[in-house]
Amino acid sequence: QQPVQSPQAVILREGEDAVINCSSSKALYSVHWYRQKHGEAPVFLMILLKGGEQKGHDKISASFNEKKQQSSLYLTASQLSYSGTYFCGTITPGGTSYGKLTFGQGTILTVHP
Amino acid sequence: DGGITQSPKYLFRKEGQNVTLSCEQNLNHDAMYWYRQDPGQGLRLIYYSQIVNDFQKGDIAEGYSVSREKKESFPLTVTSAQKNPTAFYLCASRDGQGNTGELFFGEGSRLTVL
Repeated sequence: QQPVQSPQAVILREGEDAVINCSSSKALYSVHWYRQKHGEAPVFLMILLKGGEQKGHDKISASFNEKKQQSSLYLTASQLSYSGTYFCGTITPGGTSYGKLTFGQGTILTVHP
Repeated sequence: DGGITQSPKYLFRKEGQNVTLSCEQNLNHDAMYWYRQDPGQGLRLIYYSQIVNDFQKGDIAEGYSVSREKKESFPLTVTSAQKNPTAFYLCASRDGQGNTGELFFGEGSRLTVL
């Protein structure tokens, strides 16, 4: 089952902040965040692991609430280059779905000058 | 340079024909994935493979088939049983050790059924 992202779209002016949320109905092992620009492949932003470990870019921050099965991506002081579609992907722990990485429907972020 | 190569980039097919999309990686990754992307629906998982000679169905596997005979290759066949195959297809790989590796994506293949 796909994770659910909110909001579906965000419009910002340069310098403003945004938060994108991702929630799952299942327990999570890890949460991935990617950004995709139109006509291009998605690019890795961050991984958040159960237990608190994070891996990703210094200028991107995110949180992972394991109990609530939710993650949030924080975009501060937005730049024009932040525009794109943001996807969260989730991996649930163990069993027959080991390694299954499922994505949400995406959040379209548009930054205006 | 290491990376993932998908081919062809654009493909046109007549209804009723099978078509195979190629995905090759030289990153020495164990895990490989196929996703389908349609406008407004995000990335939907078709098949994934954690190791050579083994693969699992994703959420929308009907009408698709895969093989994983070599570590570096994970071709996807879109069969005539797939009712709406026109879409953008993305292949990805990652270091599957401990499930902590990020996905590296290919540039995608855009399939159009005429």
